[in-house]
Amino acid sequence: GENVEQHPSTLSVQEGDSAVIKCTYSDSASNYFPWYKQELGKRPQLIIDIRSNVGEKKDQRIAVTLNKTAKHFSLHITETQPEDSAVYFCAASSTNAGKSTFGDGTTLTVKP
Amino acid sequence: DTAVSQTPKYLVTQMGNDKSIKCEQNLGHDTMYWYKQDSKKFLKIMFSYNNKELIINETVPNRFSPKSPDKAHLNLHINSLELGDSAVYFCASSPDEGTGNTIYFGEGSWLTVV
Repeated sequence: GENVEQHPSTLSVQEGDSAVIKCTYSDSASNYFPWYKQELGKRPQLIIDIRSNVGEKKDQRIAVTLNKTAKHFSLHITETQPEDSAVYFCAASSTNAGKSTFGDGTTLTVKP
Repeated sequence: DTAVSQTPKYLVTQMGNDKSIKCEQNLGHDTMYWYKQDSKKFLKIMFSYNNKELIINETVPNRFSPKSPDKAHLNLHINSLELGDSAVYFCASSPDEGTGNTIYFGEGSWLTVV
């Protein structure tokens, strides 16, 4: 089955700096890669996603890149703000698996 | 107008008891899930149902029994609760079980077994 590895497990940055979280996946049939943000005590919510026919996608300060050959994808947050502090989960899904497999999460702390 | 709603939000109970968590979604989605999030924040799928039929059962102890009376509801019943069952349980839904679908999570049910 699919295996998703996410790094780092914790990340601390100064407000205004950039943050990068990386994920690798194992199933070459995976073709949908969402990122979820979970604030403390809240539910995970989708912040951005990318499909296998696209190499990069941006939404304001957030961007995701995908390298299908290397089977890895990354979340980039620029100009970080304290409200970006949360746990971020990557996921990969494929029709074969019929489900999404989540990474173990990255706890991002943005220091003011 | 909550898309995926689950009750109760907090549940404290003693070892050995039986408890249920209810979940409903009003998004018209065909697929519903139960996820478990432990103290390390790992999100692990437990079950998924598509149109009331069990699709995924991720080696969950048979003390956990999901029930889907219709495609808008997926309840979770847990028998003989153990300390290790303490976690946050998220109900979720997506348009179907195939690829490329965003998962919409409920607010979570915090279960503490004492």
